[in-house]
Amino acid sequence: DAGVIQSPRHEVTEMGQEVTLRCKPISGHNSLFWYRQTMMRGLELLIYFNNNVPIDDSGMPEDRFSAKMPNASFSTLKIQPSEPRDSAVYFCASTLDRVGQPQHFGDGTRLSIL
Amino acid sequence: KNEVEQSPQNLTAQEGEFITINCSYSVGISALHWLQQHPGGGIVSLFMLSSGKKKHGRLIATINIQEKHSSLHITASHPRDSAVYICAGISRGGADGLTFGKGTHLIIQP
Repeated sequence: DAGVIQSPRHEVTEMGQEVTLRCKPISGHNSLFWYRQTMMRGLELLIYFNNNVPIDDSGMPEDRFSAKMPNASFSTLKIQPSEPRDSAVYFCASTLDRVGQPQHFGDGTRLSIL
Repeated sequence: KNEVEQSPQNLTAQEGEFITINCSYSVGISALHWLQQHPGGGIVSLFMLSSGKKKHGRLIATINIQEKHSSLHITASHPRDSAVYICAGISRGGADGLTFGKGTHLIIQP
């Protein structure tokens, strides 16, 4: 079975540019999460969706970050304009909203903003 | 606000040793993930538990709900177990975002 698929795997861009990260959750999963990992702060929740609806976006750092889930099989995380401090690994995870169901992580997108 | 405290931060051991990593969590967390992250960066869920004990191969995870404490044990450790192990709390089922500990960087020396 295909796992959570993220693209791109690596992204290097100059500050000020728009960055779009993509995620395809596991088919049948109805909850999707975006996490960010940095050396300083470790792993943090940015936002999560349940049945395509954003439930908690309190972890989104600022207005430069936005996330959408237009359908059950696709989500995007956008940064505009990007800044060097946004450099991190961004993980997407999905799960089935049932007690006892684990989250499954994608391989992450390593983002470098120069 | 949910919190997860993990210890130790770093652990180096010899091959074959019994390994224990500890995790304490705050009220409001109802279950825990134990995650493994290898140097390549991918994150794998080892266990998700809300009570009792789970075992998979040489890995054992326990949780004490009253004490709000969980442990991950590795028996007969091997260099391929070297990774970062992360404890993550869940506030409701599996469908809330995780609250992460800072991770334990484990190195098993041959």
